[in-house]
Amino acid sequence: DAGVTQSPTHLIKTRGQHVTLRCSPISGHKSVSWYQQVLGQGPQFIFQYYEKEERGRGNFPDRFSARQFPNYSSELNVNALLLGDSALYLCASSATQGTFRSETQYFGPGTRLLVL
Amino acid sequence: AQSVTQPDIHITVSEGASLELRCNYSYGATPYLFWYVQSPGQGLQLLLKYFSGDTLVQGIKGFEAEFKRSQSSFNLRKPSVHWSDAAEYFCAVVPGYSSASKIIFGSGTRLSIRP
Repeated sequence: DAGVTQSPTHLIKTRGQHVTLRCSPISGHKSVSWYQQVLGQGPQFIFQYYEKEERGRGNFPDRFSARQFPNYSSELNVNALLLGDSALYLCASSATQGTFRSETQYFGPGTRLLVL
Repeated sequence: AQSVTQPDIHITVSEGASLELRCNYSYGATPYLFWYVQSPGQGLQLLLKYFSGDTLVQGIKGFEAEFKRSQSSFNLRKPSVHWSDAAEYFCAVVPGYSSASKIIFGSGTRLSIRP
């Protein structure tokens, strides 16, 4: 079975530009979460989506937005890129049986974004 | 403030030696606890998780972790490490009050294996 897939694998942008990252969850999984991992740190929670609705949001500015599609895939959008947005962006999916806290999340390989 | 602390930034052990990676959390209620491993250039793989019940949890690849409420700790152990265990290890929690799968990660411990 295919795991969580993310595209692109690497991306280089300049300050002020906009970027869209994509994620396809494991087949049958209905929840997608996004994390930002800055070099040398642990991942930080950005968003969780379940059944196309935002379920949770981390402490990130409004420049960050996301959405989930009917097939449960997801996009993360970042506007007005800053140098500090350079990071590995991880997507995770979970099956979700209603108890979100206990769900096991399966992570994709990530998209490495470099902002120049 | 809620936090997960991994006090060891980098640990080096000899192949075949035992391993213990430390993790402390600060929450009022019992959180949901996880250990993840991240190999270079890879995503995160779940090693084990604790929700309730037996405080000694067995995971994949021969790892285990023990939840100690009195010490607010969830240390990861392995009796004999292999060179392939070299990676970054993250302790993580989902707060008991959370309505979402918001995982809070520690800053990680990098494990190196000495031949």
